[in-house]
Amino acid sequence: TQLLKQSPQFLSIQEGENLTVYCNSSSVFSSLQWYRQEPGEGPVLLVTVVTGGEVKKLKRLTFQFGDARKDSSLHITAAQTGDTGLYLCAGVSGGYQKVTFGTGTKLQVIP
Amino acid sequence: GAVVSQHPSRVICKSGTSVKIECRSLDFQATTMFWYRQFPKQSLMLMATSNEGSKATYEQGVEKDKFLINHASLTLSTLTVTSAHPEDSSFYICSALPGLAGEYNEQFFGPGTRLTVL
Repeated sequence: TQLLKQSPQFLSIQEGENLTVYCNSSSVFSSLQWYRQEPGEGPVLLVTVVTGGEVKKLKRLTFQFGDARKDSSLHITAAQTGDTGLYLCAGVSGGYQKVTFGTGTKLQVIP
Repeated sequence: GAVVSQHPSRVICKSGTSVKIECRSLDFQATTMFWYRQFPKQSLMLMATSNEGSKATYEQGVEKDKFLINHASLTLSTLTVTSAHPEDSSFYICSALPGLAGEYNEQFFGPGTRLTVL
């Protein structure tokens, strides 16, 4: 069974602070995705990283894919209250693009 | 962007009854759709992969006779929870994959269906 473990599980920070969320797996994936989910809604894709060592930036969010394509990190700079939500990493594998979600990180940004 | 809808958004039913949840891709065709279940404060767990015109592939531990999946067209997959019990209460989310298997494509997720079994 492929398992993606995220850390930390919960994170509560002040607005303006920086944070990093980690996603680790013992399995290799063809690509890795990060999603954000609001309560009562489906997850929304933030980014897909494909190449080992790849770094992608999306405004204040920086995503990195490990060289071995087993782990990833999400760094948020100067967090805002609008960043509050559940962040999920997900490994993509197989011909049908099967997505295996990580354990999740619940982020709360306090004004 | 591509839109996936789910119906109903919320459903409350009595124990022992069956509930059908629909997942539709509104502006694209999807040969493959996925069904997930999410318990409170937990991540999404893949239940099954639904392929148009063929039998669904269920993940280990998911009862195929309890969670019936029908992918009758390229834009519609349905999940029927049969003889529902309170422990089936959960948030059910579908996703749809445009294009053909083997091609790299982004999945698009539906807004989810909250099932409460009394």
